[in-house]
Amino acid sequence: QKEVEQDPGPLSVPEGAIVSLNCTYSNSAFQYFMWYRQYSRKGPELLMYTYSSGNKEDGRFTAQVDKSSKYISLFIRDSQPSDSATYLCAMSGGALNFGKGTSLLVTP
Amino acid sequence: NAGVTQTPKFQVLKTGQSMTLQCAQDMNHNSMYWYRQDPGMGLRLIYYSASEGTTDKGEVPNGYNVSRLNKREFSLRLESAAPSQTSVYFCASSERDLNTEAFFGQGTRLTVV
Repeated sequence: QKEVEQDPGPLSVPEGAIVSLNCTYSNSAFQYFMWYRQYSRKGPELLMYTYSSGNKEDGRFTAQVDKSSKYISLFIRDSQPSDSATYLCAMSGGALNFGKGTSLLVTP
Repeated sequence: NAGVTQTPKFQVLKTGQSMTLQCAQDMNHNSMYWYRQDPGMGLRLIYYSASEGTTDKGEVPNGYNVSRLNKREFSLRLESAAPSQTSVYFCASSERDLNTEAFFGQGTRLTVV
């Protein structure tokens, strides 16, 4: 079993929808949690970085970490076509472990 | 503000050829990494350098070698390319270690025929 599980999608939503992206993990040593956005044929770009449990908000993006359930989420409010990309979760407790990414398509 | 720069962006090799992928960062980061990304496999760590002068194997190091030339530069070498090494290669850097945010280059698309 891979340490980080992420549904690959694809996930298709209409413009303006609230998007919820999720990852589960098995290693309770993970302390640092990140979300990356990757556009087609580009490198991953860091979106959110959180430490331990709780919520962090940045504009239309909210990252949520529930360590008791080993579950992290990224919420995108008022989604835009420019949000169409692959979203990768990553977590670390000494080594950085990536999920395989969820492909998101926001349609006008 | 270049960040992490990789060269080349594209490369086609014949089986058995060798090549070096170059990476440089201008953020004064201590740690640098090489990943490969394959469909359905996600990002997998090949090698990393926690600080200048040190290198360590990651999840998939076989068939690769690395050199941390100085604090800015970290190269990845394929001595004898194989079709299984067809992939997109990403270099990344972070301020301290794998617990801190990693910043990625734009990738090198390598095809081995």
